[in-house]
Amino acid sequence: QVQLVQSGAEVKKPGASMKVSCKASGYIFTSYYVHWVRQAPGQGLEWMGIINPSAGNTNYPQKFQGRVSMTRDTSTSTVYMELSSLRSEDTAVYYCARDLEGYGVYFDYWGQGTLVTVSS
Amino acid sequence: QSVLTQPPSAAGTPGQRVTISCSGSSSNIGVNYVYWYQQLPGTAPKLLIYRNNQRPSGVPDRFSGSKSGTSASLAISGLRSEDEADYYCAAWDDSLRGLVVFGGGTKLTVL
Repeated sequence: QVQLVQSGAEVKKPGASMKVSCKASGYIFTSYYVHWVRQAPGQGLEWMGIINPSAGNTNYPQKFQGRVSMTRDTSTSTVYMELSSLRSEDTAVYYCARDLEGYGVYFDYWGQGTLVTVSS
Repeated sequence: QSVLTQPPSAAGTPGQRVTISCSGSSSNIGVNYVYWYQQLPGTAPKLLIYRNNQRPSGVPDRFSGSKSGTSASLAISGLRSEDEADYYCAAWDDSLRGLVVFGGGTKLTVL
């Protein structure tokens, strides 16, 4: 069965970097794009970007350009999302999601979420 | 401030029909498909509607979606207590290099 399993919760200090992993199983890893979406406490969903696990190309919204980096390791079927220069507003649950349509919004499977807390 | 606009809350009694609106623009809903997600407390969102009005297998036909121009709606008929959740609309936006945009979410309360 398809599964996306994310790394565990983290606590970071302002100015530090975070790196969350998302390990895929149950399907051909390189066949489906993966998105990252975050949700601050009590807030809505915010899109952080997309990665093509096959070619490794990415697309990030302007808000995160220069601060976010998405990579993948095809040998372990894992995608990574790194966010730098963390501030308190980056405290959120971070989700990875598989996109069944390619460059769409058909997120059929999600990771369990990773809570990242940014606090001094 | 979200690119797609949803009412912050909606409510209904069991058995009722409720609708949730989602307003966008010519660069997102006007030219791309709309998707709807349901999020129960403490869980990841779940896809309810894709490509404006299609239901993934396993989603009850009580849930339906529609789109007209730059707006979309999610309708839930035969409301049940387990439908109490947050609902989000989403679409691809063709501005700049393209990006996914979400609505701010609607908290549905079953009275």
